[in-house]
Amino acid sequence: AQTVTQSQPEMSVQEAETVTLSCTYDTSESDYYLFWYKQPPSRQMILVIRQEAYKQQNATENRFSVNFQKAAKSFSLKISDSQLGDAAMYFCAEGGGAQKLVFGQGTRLTINP
Amino acid sequence: DGGITQSPKYLFRKEGQNVTLSCEQNLNHDAMYWYRQDPGQGLRLIYYSQIVNDFQKGDIAEGYSVSREKKESFPLTVTSAQKNPTAFYLCASSTITGGELNTEAFFGQGTRLTVV
Repeated sequence: AQTVTQSQPEMSVQEAETVTLSCTYDTSESDYYLFWYKQPPSRQMILVIRQEAYKQQNATENRFSVNFQKAAKSFSLKISDSQLGDAAMYFCAEGGGAQKLVFGQGTRLTINP
Repeated sequence: DGGITQSPKYLFRKEGQNVTLSCEQNLNHDAMYWYRQDPGQGLRLIYYSQIVNDFQKGDIAEGYSVSREKKESFPLTVTSAQKNPTAFYLCASSTITGGELNTEAFFGQGTRLTVV
């Protein structure tokens, strides 16, 4: 079975600081993919970053990077130089051989000016 | 422009009625998904489909039904058996390559269903 757990319902950070959002997952698949999505107040889901489980190198996209620990089944998102526009709900998700995409409960990120 | 369209944006249902939420995509994606979003509970998978005329139950399928008669369309019916249907519903689609879901999912803008 696929499960994704985000243990931080809410996080806050000062503008320009760095914040890390946590995610753990469980899957019986050998090949899988991990994603972080952002949902701003408009509720439109936006892909932030994607990681292939077979790659050891952590994915990065500008100010966003992940810390992927495969043995620990951990997939955290680091946001550097936080900006007011980063304020949103962030969802971790896992997909792969089971061909379904499973999401965590989400973390609401607040940016303090 | 390619994309995924959900309609309507807002929907009101009387208790005991069935309602159908529309989801159409022109991205030529194989897989389509329906999620329910409640405050504090993230996105929960209702149904998903990888191919026309086939679909699987997700984690909370009770009280819902779907069909996949065309690759582009994946409507969701909320039946009167669903005891607490008021929620935000999101449809998504993605490609499947080599039997795996390995690309990002594209989402519609959602439908807010309210029981009155």
